Amino acid sequence: GAGVSQSPSNKVTEKGKDVELRCDPISGHTALYWYRQSLGQGLEFLIYFQGNSAPDKSGLPSDRFSAERTGGSVSTLTIQRTQQEDSAVYLCASSFGLAGMETQYFGPGTRLLVL
Amino acid sequence: SQQGEEDPQALSIQEGENATMNCSYKTSINNLQWYRQNSGRGLVHLILIRSNEREKHSGRLRVTLDTSKKSSSLLITASRAADTASYFCATDGNTNAGKSTFGDGTTLTVKP
Repeated sequence: GAGVSQSPSNKVTEKGKDVELRCDPISGHTALYWYRQSLGQGLEFLIYFQGNSAPDKSGLPSDRFSAERTGGSVSTLTIQRTQQEDSAVYLCASSFGLAGMETQYFGPGTRLLVL
Repeated sequence: SQQGEEDPQALSIQEGENATMNCSYKTSINNLQWYRQNSGRGLVHLILIRSNEREKHSGRLRVTLDTSKKSSSLLITASRAADTASYFCATDGNTNAGKSTFGDGTTLTVKP
């Protein structure tokens, strides 16, 4: 595709429900990243993938958060038993080559609101 | 505190003036990147500068990197109202590549 796409654009859910966020990276990009941005704040790193592997999961806020990537392409970020503090914009990015070595291209984000 | 920290937090200038934003970081890096964000969505990549580079230009943008001071600056010359946005620096450490760290950003307002 032309750029990184994310779905849904917006998600409103009730506290305690599970949500799944999707990221489609640029074709051929081997590295994929997830970030979270709260209102007026910078980006909080969550996790990155090199291919289908996630070498460092320490950025995930709690065990309610998980992510996977299949086929070296699409990635999903799952938040179980959502809490109000999970409300934020979730941003995905992808890059060529080794993670952290090249330009990251960002998707438009998913705005999550937990009521 | 975070690896990348921007300074100032907010900057307001008149159209045509230059804007300078600074970023400081703590540990050794592979590269440093500057991004722009409008209205809380969609980060746009501006410039990537590697640890062995000192200066890069792109149009009206000039980025410098001083690894001895662990700092970088972004200069926007002849600013325009359309440059109004938040600007972030992001670093990738050479001991933990892939785990990018962003600062809280500088909010730039360019008045027409």
